[in-house]
Amino acid sequence: QVHLVQSGAEVKRPGASVTVSCKASGYTFVDYGITWVRQAPGQGLEWMGWISANNPNTNYAQKFQGRVTMTTDTYTNTVYMELRRLSSDDTAVYYCARGGADYRDVNGYFYSGAFGVWGQGTMVTVSS
Amino acid sequence: DIVLTQSPGTLSLSPGERATLSCRASQSVGSDFLAWYQQKPGQAPRLLISAASTRVTDISDRFSGDGSGTDFTLTIDRLEPEDFAVYYCQQYGRSPPTFGGGTKVEIK
Repeated sequence: QVHLVQSGAEVKRPGASVTVSCKASGYTFVDYGITWVRQAPGQGLEWMGWISANNPNTNYAQKFQGRVTMTTDTYTNTVYMELRRLSSDDTAVYYCARGGADYRDVNGYFYSGAFGVWGQGTMVTVSS
Repeated sequence: DIVLTQSPGTLSLSPGERATLSCRASQSVGSDFLAWYQQKPGQAPRLLISAASTRVTDISDRFSGDGSGTDFTLTIDRLEPEDFAVYYCQQYGRSPPTFGGGTKVEIK
């Protein structure tokens, strides 16, 4: 069975950084990119970005450019998402997700969609 | 970015009734790459429908998706108690993939 297992909840001070991990199993890791989506308390879903599992390609939401870095470790089938310069607005549940396929749009951006597999979510709380 | 507007914000229905949820895009969704998710409190979203109308494996046939271009609909026939949740649409026809604001289906 396909699984994505995320690291545990984090509490951070404003200005700090957080790294959330997402370990994949049950499929060929390098065949699918991984997407990060977050959800603030009581709010909707927000796409943060996508990373290829087999090359350095990334595609970050403009909102997070310069503040987020996504990396992969093909030896442990793990994807990492680091978010820097945290503020209270970053308090949210962070999900990793895998789509059914990776796409390249007309502008050359890579991404995936129709996320059939999700991690369990990682609560990140930013508070002084 | 493509903006997805879901309506209504909240739908109050009784078990056994039909729910009709709308998702309207600010631009045409390429290849009708529109997905629907169900989310219950404390859980990750669950994919129901991809490519506007393709039901995912193991999803009840009471769920159906329709539409193309900019207007899409999710229909839930004969609401069951477990169907009361929040539903999101998502377009993945172009980057960045975007989500609608959600429709809450609540028990009347």
